[in-house]
Amino acid sequence: SQQGEEDPQALSIQEGENATMNCSYKTSINNLQWYRQNSGRGLVHLILIRSNEREKHSGRLRVTLDTSKKSSSLLITASRAADTASYFCATDRLGYSTLTFGKGTMLLVSP
Amino acid sequence: EAGVAQSPRYKIIEKRQSVAFWCNPISGHATLYWYQQILGQGPKLLIQFQNNGVVDDSQLPKDRFSAERLKGVDSTLKIQPAKLEDSAVYLCASSSGYQETQYFGPGTRLLVL
Repeated sequence: SQQGEEDPQALSIQEGENATMNCSYKTSINNLQWYRQNSGRGLVHLILIRSNEREKHSGRLRVTLDTSKKSSSLLITASRAADTASYFCATDRLGYSTLTFGKGTMLLVSP
Repeated sequence: EAGVAQSPRYKIIEKRQSVAFWCNPISGHATLYWYQQILGQGPKLLIQFQNNGVVDDSQLPKDRFSAERLKGVDSTLKIQPAKLEDSAVYLCASSSGYQETQYFGPGTRLLVL
């Protein structure tokens, strides 16, 4: 079963706009990670946020984590056409080392 | 630093045939994972190795899927016999240890006809 669920399923924006994707999960976690997958390619790790962290930044990426609501958000600022990809959140539950992925958000950034 | 290598990149077979995928993880990474990603879904873990031992294979369909990592480095995933529903991308990932960042290979895209 899916641990994480991303929302929205698809998002279409113009270059320069910000993109926000959300992830909800069901059980307590150690970490939450975000990955990007370009069409026909493997997953690329973007950022990891631990359960005791609330916010993390990496370049144009900002991730928040609210463990009380069991949710996370990924914000991409000043989006570029190259950001077009599917974005997945992945969680590892307390006591487990395996990751469970959501179904992903497909982001389309138009020039 | 070289990434995770996988081969082949694409494979087309007929149902009931056998197929094998190969993965070479990042040098020094003790943990290796095989995932199945069906079109439109997120990756689903099939099996996790720590060195050459299996940590989790609870979602591996053991009647047809098998995997090994004999020397604690390379790994092979086999499907025998394949079914139509096995059509997917098979991703290999590795990490330096427990709960560390996983690095993914490009995947093998399998089509079962």
